[in-house]
Amino acid sequence: QQQVRQSPQSLTVWEGETAILNCSYEDSTFDYFPWYWQFPRESPALLIAIRPVSNKKEDGRFTIFFNKREKKLSLHITDSQPGDSATYFCAASRGTNAYKVIFGKGTHLHVLP
Amino acid sequence: GALVYQYPRRTICKSGTSMRMECQAVGFQATSVAWYRQSPQKTFELIALSTVNSAIKYEQNFTQEKFPISHPNLSFSSMTVLNAYLEDRGLYLCGALTGKNTQYFGPGTRLLVL
Repeated sequence: QQQVRQSPQSLTVWEGETAILNCSYEDSTFDYFPWYWQFPRESPALLIAIRPVSNKKEDGRFTIFFNKREKKLSLHITDSQPGDSATYFCAASRGTNAYKVIFGKGTHLHVLP
Repeated sequence: GALVYQYPRRTICKSGTSMRMECQAVGFQATSVAWYRQSPQKTFELIALSTVNSAIKYEQNFTQEKFPISHPNLSFSSMTVLNAYLEDRGLYLCGALTGKNTQYFGPGTRLLVL
């Protein structure tokens, strides 16, 4: 059973548009949700993260919206740039077990110039 | 700053042979190290968690007999892939966990099995 689900699998937007990446999870005990981005032939890097005490986390052009009741979250990338083209992984973990990061399958984002 | 190095970055081994990969934390003490594998077309799977002075915890479908791990101190961990076969190919990541539960990933070791 996939504990963290992402959609769409692939997303293409034009430069300047807002890209919306969706994520949902099964286990209500997850309390930390990092998003990682991965460029080709590189390892994933932490982009932004949120804890359920907040329903929104913003960092520049990247914003996480979190809905604890529905166990859903989304990553919004405003003013998308070609350099944002990467695979984005939504992940989840629990408090003291922060090592056990459960990854979604990723969304491949393509930003066209 | 906190950095995690992995060695080698990529390696090729013959089917049935074994290879060892290393993970080193620099600039912080890695209380725990988690090893992940990203297989082609798949997401990251947790293989095991290694904590200094504690038993290594393997996830389902991964065993010590196949992926023995050594974690002798707070800055170094190694994992061996024994009897590697085609299904073992992929990117192996180590995630080093600080005392503040922040995880830093290394660049990965890409394993190709011929």
